[in-house]
Amino acid sequence: GAVVSQHPSRVICKSGTSVKIECRSLDFQATTMFWYRQFPKQSLMLMATSNEGSKATYEQGVEKDKFLINHASLTLSTLTVTSAHPEDSSFYICSASAYRSEEQYFGPGTRLTVT
Amino acid sequence: TQLLEQSPQFLSIQEGENLTVYCNSSSVFSSLQWYRQEPGEGPVLLVTVVTGGEVKKLKRLTFQFGDARKDSSLHITAAQPGDTGLYLCAGAYNFNKFYFGSGTKLNVKP
Repeated sequence: GAVVSQHPSRVICKSGTSVKIECRSLDFQATTMFWYRQFPKQSLMLMATSNEGSKATYEQGVEKDKFLINHASLTLSTLTVTSAHPEDSSFYICSASAYRSEEQYFGPGTRLTVT
Repeated sequence: TQLLEQSPQFLSIQEGENLTVYCNSSSVFSSLQWYRQEPGEGPVLLVTVVTGGEVKKLKRLTFQFGDARKDSSLHITAAQPGDTGLYLCAGAYNFNKFYFGSGTKLNVKP
């Protein structure tokens, strides 16, 4: 149980284009989903927290207009990187948590490369 | 500044040795999780500890939550190359907020 998928696993895009990453909880209802960014050999940096049906809460320093998050259902959240630039290249990981659970389950991550 | 500090940051040991990773904070958490992450993959949940002083064992891994719920340790007995990875602790607040430690990169040499 507690399986979270992410799609795509890898994406290469040109500078200035937008990229959408999907995060799905496959066998439980995720009332809360989290989006993280991870740089090489570093820990996870929380970007935003989203609750189903509500606007996402962004961490300080994360541009909400650049990283659009939608949590339209209890099993799907999407992160759209708008007008991507090379400095947005990174490993993006989502996680999902059930109602009143203090455990989160991670997706396999998406490697974004902006050329 | 990191809310959760992990030490050591890097650890390279021989197969069969024991090791301990520490996760420390000045904040009190309602629970704490330990994860292992391999390169190019998402973190995998190893354990959740909830009660102060709690000890949990997972085969050769022993996890302890401090009495005051501010710190935790992970002890691995007789490490194996398959234990190699990035170990992350994460403290939880009120079901909706998680803070990750800085991570410990473990390399177990055969």
